[in-house]
Amino acid sequence: DAKTTQPTSMDCAEGRAANLPCNHSTISGNEYVYWYRQIHSQGPQYIIHGLKNNETNEMASLIITEDRKSSTLILPHATLRDTAVYYCIVSDWMDSNYQLIWGAGTKLIIKP
Amino acid sequence: DTGVSQNPRHKITKRGQNVTFRCDPISEHNRLYWYRQTLGQGPEFLTYFQNEAQLEKSRLLSDRFSAERPKGSFSTLEIQRTEQGDSAMYLCASSRTPGLESSYEQYFGPGTRLTVT
Repeated sequence: DAKTTQPTSMDCAEGRAANLPCNHSTISGNEYVYWYRQIHSQGPQYIIHGLKNNETNEMASLIITEDRKSSTLILPHATLRDTAVYYCIVSDWMDSNYQLIWGAGTKLIIKP
Repeated sequence: DTGVSQNPRHKITKRGQNVTFRCDPISEHNRLYWYRQTLGQGPEFLTYFQNEAQLEKSRLLSDRFSAERPKGSFSTLEIQRTEQGDSAMYLCASSRTPGLESSYEQYFGPGTRLTVT
C-alpha cells in the first residue's frame, strides 16, 4: 500500500503558484520523498525528490517539514500544461529493490 | 531521442492470444522496471532488472507473464493466454543503480496500451 496521502483533486489559476500537499506521517529516516506527474495518456515524469532539506529545480520546489511527516510541491507559476495527476511517493534508499509504490495521486487542473 | 522507448504504443488482441512488448531504456541505465497501470490508478510494480538479472517479481506477475533482458539492454514483457483483466497500460522505466545515501529517479517510457477483447 502507498505510504502517502494526497487530496484527490485541486484547482489552480493559470499564473498562480500551485501548492500540492502530501502527508507521509509514517516515513522512516531512510526514505526519500519523490514527486512525479503524469499528463493524460503519457508515462509518468520525474519532477523532484528530497530527503531532509528543501529542494528546488527548474520545474518545482519541494518543501519538507522538519519532522518529515509532510511535504508540499510548489509549481511557482502554473501553466495550462501543468494540468496532470501528481504523485507523491516515499521510497527507501536502503531497499535494494528501490520500488516506487504509487497511490492515486492528486489531479491538478490549471484553469485559465 | 535518448529517452525510454516502448513498442508498440497500442495493442489490441483477442482473449487467449499471446502478446509481447519491448522496452528500450536509456543506454547508461542498468536498472529497468516494468509497471502496469489501470484507469484512475497509479502504476503498480511488476518486476525489475539489474543489468540482465531479474531481481524481483511482484505477486501481480502471474505465471502467464514473463520478462527478459537478455543482454542487459532492451527488455521484453510477454503475456501468454491473455485475459480481459490484462487490459491496462504497461509502463517501462529505467534508472541508474541507487547508491549509499543517494537515489536515482526513474525515467518512464510512454507505455504500451493493451486492450484484450
